[in-house]
Amino acid sequence: KAGVTQTPRYLIKTRGQQVTLSCSPISGHRSVSWYQQTPGQGLQFLFEYFSETQRNKGNFPGRFSGRQFSNSRSEMNVSTLELGDSALYLCASSLSTSTAQDTQYFGPGTRLTVL
Amino acid sequence: DAKTTQPNSMESNEEEPVHLPCNHSTISGTDYIHWYRQLPSQGPEYVIHGLTSNVNNRMASLAIAEDRKSSTLILHRATLRDAAVYYCILRDTGNQFYFGTGTSLTVIP
Repeated sequence: KAGVTQTPRYLIKTRGQQVTLSCSPISGHRSVSWYQQTPGQGLQFLFEYFSETQRNKGNFPGRFSGRQFSNSRSEMNVSTLELGDSALYLCASSLSTSTAQDTQYFGPGTRLTVL
Repeated sequence: DAKTTQPNSMESNEEEPVHLPCNHSTISGTDYIHWYRQLPSQGPEYVIHGLTSNVNNRMASLAIAEDRKSSTLILHRATLRDAAVYYCILRDTGNQFYFGTGTSLTVIP
């Protein structure tokens, strides 16, 4: 099976712009989660989508949003970019058959740099 | 949300066993203990998980204390490719993963 893919891998934006990141989960996986990783804050959970519905949400401002399509592919959007949004954005997919036991499979991430 | 405590860093010699500890004194009865690792410039990857009993797979073993307030990830023979940040995570049904700061493992040739 192909792994989780994320596009683009690298992105450079300027403050005030918006950005959309894409994630294609492993075939058959219905849950997609997004994380932000920075040197200072580590890995922080953004949100999780399951069957096109947001199931969990982390503690991030409303500038961060996401959605999931019927084929389980997911996008996340960050509007009005700030310098502090520079980070590695990771997507993870899982079968989500039994949530507590679910194994998450991570993509390689999208490196976003905000200038 | 239950949290975990791990040492910031550890070192191991190549081909020796490594025991990575994790404390989770506030664990609830339904929390699963998950371990992930993140190699340099990669996304995290699953290592192992368990609830109460010790678990083994091809990558590692997970030893869970009887009171479940701590656990240990055991790499039986460390290789240079095992150098990574190891995260111990608790997860309950319906909740997300909290990764914490993890343990940075250095493997010395």
